[in-house]
Amino acid sequence: DAGITQSPRHKVTETGTPVTLRCHQTENHRYMYWYRQDPGHGLRLIHYSYGVKDTDKGEVSDGYSVSRSKTEDFLLTLESATSSQTSVYFCAISDGGRQPQHFGDGTRLSIL
Amino acid sequence: AQTVTQSQPEMSVQEAETVTLSCTYDTSENNYYLFWYKQPPSRQMILVIRQEAYKQQNATENRFSVNFQKAAKSFSLKISDSQLGDTAMYFCAFMKPGGSEKLVFGKGMKLTVNP
Repeated sequence: DAGITQSPRHKVTETGTPVTLRCHQTENHRYMYWYRQDPGHGLRLIHYSYGVKDTDKGEVSDGYSVSRSKTEDFLLTLESATSSQTSVYFCAISDGGRQPQHFGDGTRLSIL
Repeated sequence: AQTVTQSQPEMSVQEAETVTLSCTYDTSENNYYLFWYKQPPSRQMILVIRQEAYKQQNATENRFSVNFQKAAKSFSLKISDSQLGDTAMYFCAFMKPGGSEKLVFGKGMKLTVNP
């Protein structure tokens, strides 16, 4: 299995609080992605990174920011969490070159 | 923009039987990749099979095979000899090579294999 670790695995927090999710990889892959999974929507791209300090927005980026200061770590931050951001968040990595993405085990985030 | 449609939200099949999951997509691209991912109750996203659009031959992986119809923009997954462990959500996904190489997913369908 691809070496991808997401932390935390579960989190419950309150509306208005900041939240940071971490994705750590040991594969030295160039590309890293954050998706959210909601019933009836499949997985939707939030942000992605194509290298250290190189990031770009996906289709549902509002309310989220990301940072990648090292190849192995990709952080997703909710500056002020809202109930609509309750979801399961997946990190994925790829070496590019048309290779498939491999996913972490997901983080279940509940915002009350 | 590309879209992926999985029109069957849910299916069930008896163990050892064959089942086909449908997927259609819309794109103006000529070169792209298609994937099926499986998500069992454990929540892991597991790559099942991948198809390159420029290859006419349908991909196969053990009991899993695809029927890729490029002109019809159809990409169905056939599971032969269904097993209880095949019970999962299945997602069809599209990728345009180059640039972000992001995946565009369908909404998924739930497959239940009954004993």
